[in-house]
Amino acid sequence: AQSVTQPDIHITVSEGASLELRCNYSYGATPYLFWYVQSPGQGLQLLLKYFSGDTLVQGIKGFEAEFKRSQSSFNLRKPSVHWSDAAEYFCAVGVKAAGNKLTFGGGTRVLVKP
Amino acid sequence: EPEVTQTPSHQVTQMGQEVILRCVPISNHLYFYWYRQILGQKVEFLVSFYNNEISEKSEIFDDQFSVERPDGSNFTLKIRSTKLEDSAMYFCASSESGGELFFGEGSRLTVL
Repeated sequence: AQSVTQPDIHITVSEGASLELRCNYSYGATPYLFWYVQSPGQGLQLLLKYFSGDTLVQGIKGFEAEFKRSQSSFNLRKPSVHWSDAAEYFCAVGVKAAGNKLTFGGGTRVLVKP
Repeated sequence: EPEVTQTPSHQVTQMGQEVILRCVPISNHLYFYWYRQILGQKVEFLVSFYNNEISEKSEIFDDQFSVERPDGSNFTLKIRSTKLEDSAMYFCASSESGGELFFGEGSRLTVL
């Protein structure tokens, strides 16, 4: 069974600084990989996804993520954080053969200091 | 832009009562899912549904839970006899081909 680990529960970053959120997954083959963002009381919005091909993936809101097979990682980055990026971020892994049932990580809550 | 819609946005119920959460997936999507998120915890898979039957379910999805696609547009989650621990945000999602999932805004269930 697949699993996802997000090592950082909370991250505090200053507005304008760079952000990197870590995600490690466990799965025997190449999975589908996703990053979702959840603002307080809101649903899950897809930031970006990796299915195959170029391992550097661009998403919405200026986010990007890089799939590194050798490290089983899919870290999310943003060069310059805005106050509106304060939210909880979830990494997820999906398996096509299982109808893409997603397994989510525990989430990383990002706080943005002015 | 097409979206997944869920009703109600918030429901409060007494323990032991039946609850039905409703979802309207994106119209050309074929795969449907329910997930839940207990407050402060991770999002957990409950069930996936394809071709009018459950394709996979988690251990959380016990006999108290059922899903149905009654009319070709709605996708419902029924909890037959709610327990306190069923209090959570329930997310519906749909997918065209089992790739990218589109999530609804969620239905918050509070069991008293």
